[in-house]
Amino acid sequence: DTAVSQTPKYLVTQMGNDKSIKCEQNLGHDTMYWYKQDSKKFLKIMFSYNNKELIINETVPNRFSPKSPDKAHLNLHINSLELGDSAVYFCASSQIAGGPDTQYFGPGTRLTVL
Amino acid sequence: GENVEQHPSTLSVQEGDSAVIKCTYSDSASNYFPWYKQELGKRPQLIIDIRSNVGEKKDQRIAVTLNKTAKHFSLHITETQPEDSAVYFCAARYESSASKIIFGSGTRLSIRP
Repeated sequence: DTAVSQTPKYLVTQMGNDKSIKCEQNLGHDTMYWYKQDSKKFLKIMFSYNNKELIINETVPNRFSPKSPDKAHLNLHINSLELGDSAVYFCASSQIAGGPDTQYFGPGTRLTVL
Repeated sequence: GENVEQHPSTLSVQEGDSAVIKCTYSDSASNYFPWYKQELGKRPQLIIDIRSNVGEKKDQRIAVTLNKTAKHFSLHITETQPEDSAVYFCAARYESSASKIIFGSGTRLSIRP
């Protein structure tokens, strides 16, 4: 069984479009995250939710909006996509906000904005 | 501010030799330091972690050391094998910032046959 899953795996779209990435975890974890990994492989946290409550909101354009319908799901909606949004987006979950427990990552969604 | 510095950015070692990756962190209150391995096209996965109450932890060929005074921690891989080739990330948990994990910039490790 997949612990943390994301859909879609690949997303190719035009500038200006709106798109969503979905994430689900079946580990029973309380906390979920979105990370952005750019072309230089740098992993940067974007958002974190604990029991459906937003606890971390980094300096991210407000075109990015996370939504957590329940603690097993954390979706990411992106409005008015820009070229610079092209990256791999990873969802992750952990038992306790920020650790010390392990963060389990999803397989990633490679977003390409043309 | 919140920062984890990681060196080197790339590392190439002969198969069988040892590899060492070093990180420094800025928040003296940090108490949890995981290391993640990311193979090409795959997700990051935890390989080892250390908490601030110990100075060293070992798991087979992998060991991590922590110097809280100097705010340094390091990953040591001995007897390297081709499957060790990957990008390695250190990270630190920042207690002063909603307990978030800050990642280093990554080290691309290549094992030469």
